Amino acid sequence: AQKVTQAQTEISVVEKEDVTLDCVYETRDTTYYLFWYKQPPSGELVFLIRRNSFDEQNEISGRYSWNFQKSTSSFNFTITASQVVDSAVYFCALKAGANSKLTFGKGITLSVRP
Amino acid sequence: ETGVTQTPRHLVMGMTNKKSLKCEQHLGHNAMYWYKQSAKKPLELMFVYNFKEQTENNSVPSRFSPECPNSSHLFLHLHTLQPEDSALYLCASSQAQGQLESYEQYFGPGTRLTVT
Repeated sequence: AQKVTQAQTEISVVEKEDVTLDCVYETRDTTYYLFWYKQPPSGELVFLIRRNSFDEQNEISGRYSWNFQKSTSSFNFTITASQVVDSAVYFCALKAGANSKLTFGKGITLSVRP
Repeated sequence: ETGVTQTPRHLVMGMTNKKSLKCEQHLGHNAMYWYKQSAKKPLELMFVYNFKEQTENNSVPSRFSPECPNSSHLFLHLHTLQPEDSALYLCASSQAQGQLESYEQYFGPGTRLTVT
């Protein structure tokens, strides 16, 4: 069975602070994919990143960076110099093996105050 | 139109009504999905279609009936719903999922459904 745990439920920061969103996953499959999605108040989930289990390189995209560590089964997401527009719910998700199902965590509500 | 669109954006229906949710994707994808998002709960996958064929039904009650007439369109027909079915219903699409590959899903804005 697959499981995604996002232990943080709500985070509030002041603009320009850095913030890290944690994601811990569980799977017995050796081939799996990890995703992060952003859900702004408008409702649709916006795809941010996909990472497969064979690629442990960290990734940076502008103010966003991701730290994938198989040793701790974690795929954490850091926003540098946060902005008010970053306020949203962030979901980590896992797809493992031949199963087409994406398993989502419960999401982290990030509020960035001006 | 680009991406994934859903109509209507908001729907209020009585328990005896019949209504349909519509999803359309303009991304050239071959897989489509219905998800349910309730307050305080993780996203729940409901149905998966690959190349118009239903490949997954995640133990969804029969009062929800999906239809996929082609790879670009997906419907969710609703009848005799219960108040606990009130939720945000999200449609998504992706490239068809293979055994060894997995593609990101692109989501629509959702339909906020309220059952009275």
